[in-house]
Amino acid sequence: SAVISQKPSRDICQRGTSLTIQCQVDSQVTMMFWYRQQPGQSLTLIATANQGSEATYESGFVIDKFPISRPNLTFSTLTVSNMSPEDSSIYLCSVENGLKGFFGPGTRLTVL
Amino acid sequence: KQEVTQIPAALSVPEGENLVLNCSFTDSAIYNLQWFRQDPGKGLTSLLLIQSSQREQTSGRLNASLDKSSGRSTLYIAASQPGDSATYLCAVRGSQGNLIFGKGTKLSVKP
Repeated sequence: SAVISQKPSRDICQRGTSLTIQCQVDSQVTMMFWYRQQPGQSLTLIATANQGSEATYESGFVIDKFPISRPNLTFSTLTVSNMSPEDSSIYLCSVENGLKGFFGPGTRLTVL
Repeated sequence: KQEVTQIPAALSVPEGENLVLNCSFTDSAIYNLQWFRQDPGKGLTSLLLIQSSQREQTSGRLNASLDKSSGRSTLYIAASQPGDSATYLCAVRGSQGNLIFGKGTKLSVKP
């Protein structure tokens, strides 16, 4: 299994600002995934982060809006840039271990 | 493009009932299927993982089945309890390695 922690657990931000979310895993993993869950919707993959290379973004998500860092095999950050109310969501970090997905507790973001 | 659908969107049952949650997917080329539970304000908890070569998995009162050829999975919950109240998410893992989720079934078990 894998234990994942995220910071912050929640935040309320003003329009136009940026927020960086941290994800820490208790073991080394090759790939880390960032998901978004908008209100009433299911989880949607934003990007896949590999250590030592640029993140791979899904259709509809761009690096300028959601820059990702992956400095080592246990840590990653996702930044939500120039926020608007439409960015209000839960953001979840995930890893794969034995082809099984494990998720962090999520960061609940509200943009005013 | 893989799409995952869960039916029903919401379900309310009295305590003690057995129930079935349904999940369907459009592309049968999956590596595995995973059922999660999501509680309000919390992350996802993995319940069962079924590999593409398997037909079912069981854990306690939970049993998940997979019919890959027809693109269907069911999650059976026996003798439901109020503590089972949560949103249940079905997700399939495709060739890219990421999980593709359904919108979930919100279950409420009344005491």
